[in-house]
Amino acid sequence: ETGVTQSPTHLIKTRGQQVTLRCSSQSGHNTVSWYQQALGQGPQFIFQYYREEENGRGNFPPRFSGLQFPNYSSELNVNALELDDSALYLCASSWTGEGYGYTFGSGTRLTVV
Amino acid sequence: QKEVEQDPGPLSVPEGAIVSLNCTYSNSAFQYFMWYRQYSRKGPELLMYTYSSGNKEDGRFTAQVDKSSKYISLFIRDSQPSDSATYLCAWGENTGGFKTIFGAGTRLFVKA
Repeated sequence: ETGVTQSPTHLIKTRGQQVTLRCSSQSGHNTVSWYQQALGQGPQFIFQYYREEENGRGNFPPRFSGLQFPNYSSELNVNALELDDSALYLCASSWTGEGYGYTFGSGTRLTVV
Repeated sequence: QKEVEQDPGPLSVPEGAIVSLNCTYSNSAFQYFMWYRQYSRKGPELLMYTYSSGNKEDGRFTAQVDKSSKYISLFIRDSQPSDSATYLCAWGENTGGFKTIFGAGTRLFVKA
């Protein structure tokens, strides 16, 4: 059984650019959630996808968008990058969407300069 | 008022000590309660979860929930250097999709 894998592990982008982060869910999981974790803070919920549909969203602007594919892998897209978007982006997969079933990936460290 | 309050530490203890980590929350809609552990450069991993008030034990770890006071705790007995990590309290709610709210995390250092 494989865990959650995220790519890339590190990324540096310039303010105003767009970025796509990728996540492969753990085998058997059909729900994916994305979190943003700033340095020294807890993860902040961005959104969740269940069976390719957005199934809940946190307080993030529309320039944060996502996709879930039929194989349950997922992408997080961020447009018009701002310096404050610099953070660790975590993907978590689960079977039911409930938080106690999450398996997290190791994250993508995004730096916006 | 923040939904979740957690002392960021850092907390430094000698090996073998009993560790107490605490969080408070304000949202009565929270349905389940969790503790995650996060090592440096890794994603969080679930330690314990519970739905109800009271204690839940798993090995050296005990989670305590008091819904009336909106307070949760994690106790670590016989702490080990390998327990050095950031501990995140978390709550879950289902409001048109499950959402987990995390505290800011407490950094714990266990000295050998």
